[in-house]
Amino acid sequence: GAGVSQSPSNKVTEKGKDVELRCDPISGHTALYWYRQRLGQGLEFLIYFQGNSAPDKSGLPSDRFSAERTGESVSTLTIQRTQQEDSAVYLCASSLAVSGSGNEQYFGPGTRLTVT
Amino acid sequence: AQSVSQHNHHVILSEAASLELGCNYSYGGTVNLFWYVQYPGQHLQLLLKYFSGDPLVKGIKGFEAEFIKSKFSFNLRKPSVQWSDTAEYFCAVNKAAGNKLTFGGGTRVLVKP
Repeated sequence: GAGVSQSPSNKVTEKGKDVELRCDPISGHTALYWYRQRLGQGLEFLIYFQGNSAPDKSGLPSDRFSAERTGESVSTLTIQRTQQEDSAVYLCASSLAVSGSGNEQYFGPGTRLTVT
Repeated sequence: AQSVSQHNHHVILSEAASLELGCNYSYGGTVNLFWYVQYPGQHLQLLLKYFSGDPLVKGIKGFEAEFIKSKFSFNLRKPSVQWSDTAEYFCAVNKAAGNKLTFGGGTRVLVKP
């Protein structure tokens, strides 16, 4: 079946503009995660959804970042008033369950965001 | 807060050499452990995972990892690498009943033909 998909694959935006990044998880996966990978660094957790609710938003770096999920499917990560330090690859992952052996996370290809 | 350390940032080796990548984590409770790989131009893929049971875990493409609880380590090994193993490798941890993964900084492995 289809894996996790993300769009756009690349986004170049000017500083101060808002951007929306989209994630389509694997069908039937109840959990959805957003991570960020800055150049030369590991992945940083941003936010996690169980169904349509977000029990853990602890990784969002500022109030310019927000995310929502609808229909227990698609999720959108929004960054308002983008800054150059927001430049990174934004990765989405989904998993069948939240805990236990079912929580293996499957990653999408990422959206490369460049803020000029 | 839990953290994950990967000791080598870059590794260069020749085909047929053995590979071992170190991973240590800081969380003292029960954890799930993962190694992910990112081949050039591709997205992250799971190599292997440990949830419970035998601490020696075998994954895809001849990789294995050993969980040593007393050392808080989960080192990745492959006895004989191939050029196609050139990739970036990430160790990750989450709490047994948790959700988010905490990743190490990654190790770039270059295998010379």
